[in-house]
Amino acid sequence: GAGVSQSPSNKVTEKGKDVELRCDPISGHTALYWYRQRLGQGLEFLIYFQGNSAPDKSGLPSDRFSAERTGESVSTLTIQRTQQEDSAVYLCASRGTSSGSDTQYFGPGTRLTVL
Amino acid sequence: AQSVTQLDSQVPVFEEAPVELRCNYSSSVSVYLFWYVQYPNQGLQLLLKYLSGSTLVESINGFEAEFNKSQTSFHLRKPSVHISDTAEYFCAVSDTGGGNKLTFGTGTQLKVEL
Repeated sequence: GAGVSQSPSNKVTEKGKDVELRCDPISGHTALYWYRQRLGQGLEFLIYFQGNSAPDKSGLPSDRFSAERTGESVSTLTIQRTQQEDSAVYLCASRGTSSGSDTQYFGPGTRLTVL
Repeated sequence: AQSVTQLDSQVPVFEEAPVELRCNYSSSVSVYLFWYVQYPNQGLQLLLKYLSGSTLVESINGFEAEFNKSQTSFHLRKPSVHISDTAEYFCAVSDTGGGNKLTFGTGTQLKVEL
């Protein structure tokens, strides 16, 4: 596949449950980002991975949120003890780092609904 | 810290009419500027971007945006819209240093009517 893929596309869960969202970036892209889009709002930055450097977690809203990335491949975003305010579309983006690679390419998102 | 303001949440326009979607930003450092588009039931796609050089940038489907540093604006324009332009448009900025985290506006829903 040429683009960023995310799974699942939709996730419905009960309040208090943990969820895992997956992102497969474009092959060769060393930078990976997670964003959240709540209804009627713009995208909010959550976390950023760049190669083997320590991730930039400055956008994570609480310690219930965490993310991992294995090398320069798949990333998982985990939300523990989900709350209704976590309901949103979670978007992943990747970016290459060759000269002029300034564009982030977005996946289709995972729509999370917390009941 | 950066912020982006898109004052118009919805813009209705008739087909073949011109349109301008406004975007203003605030930043204490140099920025890159982007417009992303989200068509119904699709993911975000890059429409156009300003990095450096000419302040007027264009997309392949007839949109253009002009970076105005003094007014801290990056308004998106098209002289004649088509039904297929109906979508949500997001303005975004990132710093020019490492990371390039994007800060987005709240989006403008463009609805083109016959």
